[in-house]
Amino acid sequence: RKEVEQDPGPFNVPEGATVAFNCTYSNSASQSFFWYRQDCRKEPKLLMSVYSSGNEDGRFTAQLNRASQYISLLIRDSKLSDSATYLCVVKPPGTYKYIFGTGTRLKVLA
Amino acid sequence: DGGITQSPKYLFRKEGQNVTLSCEQNLNHDAMYWYRQDPGQGLRLIYYSQIVNDFQKGDIAEGYSVSREKKESFPLTVTSAQKNPTAFYLCASMDREIDTQYFGPGTRLTVL
Repeated sequence: RKEVEQDPGPFNVPEGATVAFNCTYSNSASQSFFWYRQDCRKEPKLLMSVYSSGNEDGRFTAQLNRASQYISLLIRDSKLSDSATYLCVVKPPGTYKYIFGTGTRLKVLA
Repeated sequence: DGGITQSPKYLFRKEGQNVTLSCEQNLNHDAMYWYRQDPGQGLRLIYYSQIVNDFQKGDIAEGYSVSREKKESFPLTVTSAQKNPTAFYLCASMDREIDTQYFGPGTRLTVL
């Protein structure tokens, strides 16, 4: 089993739609979780950290489900500019290493 | 402006040559990282450094070398021993207070 797994997509959705991605992780002791956004041929940029109680930033909501070992990202009212690859990142405990998923590609269509 | 810079943005190299990629940060972060990204793949860790004068191998260190003589700088050398060096190379630093990484703009290396 991979340490961090994501559905590669692409997810093709119309503008205004709500879309959700999941990411599963294998180390149940992991404590730090993140979603990054990566545009084509650019560096990853932090979208949001994922907290145990869940957190929201505008149209974006991140949630953590420890029992099932997954994190999710919900995007409401999708915009064309949301088209990108979304990377799930997990940091196992007691390490400086971050484990990256391969990313989920989102295309928002006009 | 605070941030991470990488240079050059694009680099072309002939087979058999060593090349050094620059990474500089003025964020006062102790920890720095080098990753490699290939098309359709996730980021793979090459080397990381938790503090000046210290660094550890990541998952794919073979054919690469690093140094960390200054807090601000973490250069990566791609040696001729690296069999498939063509890739997108990303440098990152970590803010320990919020346990979060930030990335430089990357260097795209092509071996001809």
